[in-house]
Amino acid sequence: GAVVSQHPSWVICKSGTSVKIECRSLDFQATTMFWYRQFPKQSLMLMATSNEGSKATYEQGVEKDKFLINHASLTLSTLTVTSAHPEDSSFYICSANRDSNNEQFFGPGTRLTVL
Amino acid sequence: QKEVEQDPGPLSVPEGAIVSLNCTYSNSAFQYFMWYRQYSRKGPELLMYTYSSGNKEDGRFTAQVDKSSKYISLFIRDSQPSDSATYLCAMSGSGNNRLAFGKGNQVVVIP
Repeated sequence: GAVVSQHPSWVICKSGTSVKIECRSLDFQATTMFWYRQFPKQSLMLMATSNEGSKATYEQGVEKDKFLINHASLTLSTLTVTSAHPEDSSFYICSANRDSNNEQFFGPGTRLTVL
Repeated sequence: QKEVEQDPGPLSVPEGAIVSLNCTYSNSAFQYFMWYRQYSRKGPELLMYTYSSGNKEDGRFTAQVDKSSKYISLFIRDSQPSDSATYLCAMSGSGNNRLAFGKGNQVVVIP
């Protein structure tokens, strides 16, 4: 149990376009999901906390208008990178809390390359 | 001082050896402690989850939490080449789902 999926796993796009990444909890409901960014050989950087039915909470320094997060249901959260630029190229990973004891399960990640 | 300290130095061990990893932390409110394994270009996989102080064993893996010293450990017995990965410690407080991560330890098990 406790499987989190992400789609797509890999995307290449042109500068200026928008990219949507989906995160799904497959076998449990998640009231809270998280979006992280990870650069090579570095730890995970939390971008935002996504709560079902409410606005996401963004970490300091993360542009909310650039990284749009929608948590429309208890099993789906989406991250849209708007007007992507090469500096947005990174590994984006989502996670979900299965229950109230803070066990967090991660998706397989999405590698974004902006040309 | 960072909330979570994990010496990121790479660790190489021969197959069959015991791998010992640890993290220290400064926030006494942390109550949930986790170890994740991350293979290259993959998302982290939850290995061990511990609430409060104590030991937990799962197969070849043992997690220890010492809240009085603010110190957690992960031991991998009979290490295998497939254990080669980056290991991240993570922790959070009660009522707060945000995880504080260590920098991660790259472990290489040499056949």
